[in-house]
Amino acid sequence: DGGITQSPKYLFRKEGQNVTLSCEQNLNHDAMYWYRQDPGQGLRLIYYSQIVNDFQKGDIAEGYSVSREKKESFPLTVTSAQKNPTAFYLCASSPRGTLNTEAFFGQGTRLTVV
Amino acid sequence: AQSVTQPDIHITVSEGASLELRCNYSYGATPYLFWYVQSPGQGLQLLLKYFSGDTLVQGIKGFEAEFKRSQSSFNLRKPSVHWSDAAEYFCAVLMEYGNKLVFGAGTILRVKS
Repeated sequence: DGGITQSPKYLFRKEGQNVTLSCEQNLNHDAMYWYRQDPGQGLRLIYYSQIVNDFQKGDIAEGYSVSREKKESFPLTVTSAQKNPTAFYLCASSPRGTLNTEAFFGQGTRLTVV
Repeated sequence: AQSVTQPDIHITVSEGASLELRCNYSYGATPYLFWYVQSPGQGLQLLLKYFSGDTLVQGIKGFEAEFKRSQSSFNLRKPSVHWSDAAEYFCAVLMEYGNKLVFGAGTILRVKS
């Protein structure tokens, strides 16, 4: 089945450590997105990528990094510079240049700093 | 700056009652509009979308939404709410320039029996 897979579902990190969240899609979508979700703040865009080897900062990119070496994969690294990383992270994808369609979401990764 | 506003953080309705969730956007060009629903700890599921044409769009689970350009609104409605509709609902706008998808803060719907 086509879709978006985020792993792991739950992730625990010690303060000061970097951690990478995985996002893989087999929908042949060009565009991929990372969102952070906190209670009462909705989904805030961290980074997005329209094509391979290209990505743009979203609204809250500080303390995060991404790569887009393959069309199917858009991993997010939460660095030690991110002061409050505990949150629910959602990855999404959509076809680029075809605006009359929606974004598809993964099931999310809940990151907790301990 | 482009933005999406959902004025109601929480809404509680009785089962069987009608529902309207509000969404306003700020965007200079014609927006592409979406409503998503999220169950706790899950990803987002698309309810409906508007790109052009008829301003009243039908979605899944009996939901509909109406695009009103003059009011910059895209409110979600359902004539009779079921207990299973309890979830968080997000309005989103796709900004054509840069293909950037922006979400509102969400509205949590509670359904009382």
